[in-house]
Amino acid sequence: DVKVTQSSRYLVKRTGEKVFLECVQDMDHENMFWYRQDPGLGLRLIYFSYDVKMKEKGDIPEGYSVSREKKERFSLILESASTNQTSMYLCATRDRGFPQHFGDGTRLSIL
Amino acid sequence: AQSVAQPEDQVKVAEGNPLTVKCTYSVSGNPYLFWYVQYPNRGLQFLLKYITGDNLVKGSYGFEAEFNKSQTSFHLKKPSALVSDSALYFCAVSGPQAGYQKVTFGTGTKLQVIP
Repeated sequence: DVKVTQSSRYLVKRTGEKVFLECVQDMDHENMFWYRQDPGLGLRLIYFSYDVKMKEKGDIPEGYSVSREKKERFSLILESASTNQTSMYLCATRDRGFPQHFGDGTRLSIL
Repeated sequence: AQSVAQPEDQVKVAEGNPLTVKCTYSVSGNPYLFWYVQYPNRGLQFLLKYITGDNLVKGSYGFEAEFNKSQTSFHLKKPSALVSDSALYFCAVSGPQAGYQKVTFGTGTKLQVIP
């Protein structure tokens, strides 16, 4: 089974802080994704990466950046956290085919 | 642009009755379609997918979905609902315009199965 591990289940940070969310996968998948999930809005793609050091903007990249230095690890960075970034963040991976495999999510609160 | 609509925020069904969760999509070209389920405080779990071939797709836990190209729909069905099916269900689509790299999700439908 594919295992996608997100470093924190719950995280509380303050406005203006730099926040790092980490995602690690154990299946050597090429593609990794960061989504945020908000009630009534479903999942929205923030960034994705199809290879090490490669990244592509998703639908809502503003206020976020990503890093993929190793194939198994994909980090989401909130450069200066704001209250409107309070959300559930989901990491997903997939190989060349489908489906995507998701982590259990990080519920992030920005105070 | 690709999009998915799940017209019902919530569906309630009695245990043992058939259930349907609706999904329509919009995409240029041939779609890849997916259903995922999410239990509280968990990530999404894959249920089934349509890529090509038979329009009726069978998936995990007794779920199935029918791809209808003319109606651009991909409704999720199960002949007999269980209380344990109560969860949040997401439909998703991926299209050729972005090389099937991006997957767009619907807003989710909360299924409640009443004992």
